[in-house]
Amino acid sequence: AQKITQTQPGMFVQEKEAVTLDCTYDTSDPSYGLFWYKQPSSGEMIFLIYQGSYDQQNATEGRYSLNFQKARKSANLVISASQLGDSAMYFCAMRETNTGNQFYFGTGTSLTVIP
Amino acid sequence: NAGVTQTPKFRILKIGQSMTLQCTQDMNHNYMYWYRQDPGMGLKLIYYSVGAGITDKGEVPNGYNVSRSTTEDFPLRLELAAPSQTSVYFCASSYPVLVPGQGAPEAFFGQGTRLTVV
Repeated sequence: AQKITQTQPGMFVQEKEAVTLDCTYDTSDPSYGLFWYKQPSSGEMIFLIYQGSYDQQNATEGRYSLNFQKARKSANLVISASQLGDSAMYFCAMRETNTGNQFYFGTGTSLTVIP
Repeated sequence: NAGVTQTPKFRILKIGQSMTLQCTQDMNHNYMYWYRQDPGMGLKLIYYSVGAGITDKGEVPNGYNVSRSTTEDFPLRLELAAPSQTSVYFCASSYPVLVPGQGAPEAFFGQGTRLTVV
């Protein structure tokens, strides 16, 4: 079974609007972390936001927030007030304690911000 | 801070040649990783290391070898290059464990190596 599933290959959003990128995960480990990375066309991997499995509140970092629904095993990324520079690939990732602290990545969502 | 440094950035290999992708980090991270990213795909783990002298296979280890003689360096060796190894390779490092309240134990990535095997 896939550890991380991202079901939206591509998304479009109007500039200044909010957009939600979906991510579901599969784990039986009670201790895990969820991450979102941005990969612009230049290719580097940029860390955006982190949610720990024991964290009670949803993580926020500036315009990024993570909608963490533990029972549903989902960790959706919400980008508010989209900007043209947000156009990129976005990857959801999970890190488990019981599998050697590996990072598992989803297949990504390509986000295009329309002016 | 340099973070994670990968060399080279680009390389073209002929089928059957060998090469080593270099990776070094200056953050004193125990954990280091090698991933490959094929066009339009996510990252797949090749090998990882939890500390000097310890390495383990990831999801796609065939055709690759690694070593970890120091905390800083984690080179990836390609033996007998094949067209299927055409990809972008990322090295990453991270703090060792998830600790509640510690803060984000994210992976820090190098800039990537774009490898083409012809």
